[in-house]
Amino acid sequence: EVQLVESGGGLVQPGRSLKLSCAASGFTFSDYNMAWVRQAPKKGLEWVATISYDGSSTYYRDSVKGRFTISRDNAKSTLYLQMDSLRSEDTATYYCARRGVADYWGQGVMVTVSS
Amino acid sequence: DIQMTQSPSSLSASLGDRVTITCRASQDIGNYLSWFQQKPGKSPRLMIYGATNLEDGVPSRFSGSRSGSDYSLTISSLESEDTAIYYCLQYDKYPLTFGSGTKLEIK
Repeated sequence: EVQLVESGGGLVQPGRSLKLSCAASGFTFSDYNMAWVRQAPKKGLEWVATISYDGSSTYYRDSVKGRFTISRDNAKSTLYLQMDSLRSEDTATYYCARRGVADYWGQGVMVTVSS
Repeated sequence: DIQMTQSPSSLSASLGDRVTITCRASQDIGNYLSWFQQKPGKSPRLMIYGATNLEDGVPSRFSGSRSGSDYSLTISSLESEDTAIYYCLQYDKYPLTFGSGTKLEIK
């Protein structure tokens, strides 16, 4: 059974950093591109970033470029999102999802950016 | 960026009704379109991929179609469990973009 389990969320002050993790199981992690998608409270879904199966290519939405870094450790079957210089508008539930079609999603982790 | 214009934003229908939700792509995305169902407090669930392919385990009353740059999700006979917000996603070009969502309620 495919499982994606996010962790690392919480309350953080504006300008600070946070690192999210997504532990994958039930499939060969190193075969798949992976993505982060977020959803602000009571709002729609918003793609954040994607990393290729081998980590050689990364893609970001403009609003997080230069502040967020997506990475992966295929030996640990884990996806990461390093979030620096956080802003209030980054407040959201963050989901990891498998490949572009997003066939599997984690349960999500809440990130609140507030002073 | 590719804009996905989703309509309607909300929809109220009766049990047994046929319901259609549409996304229009601002550029060619081929068939690189997914549909998701999201219930309150839950993660999105993939319903349709490749514009027309039903994901495993999704009831057959759900279907996807394409006409030019218009992509549609149809529920052939609405059931109470279909109450949710539905989103489309284009995954052809970066940045990936979602539609704004359709809130489907039972009348």
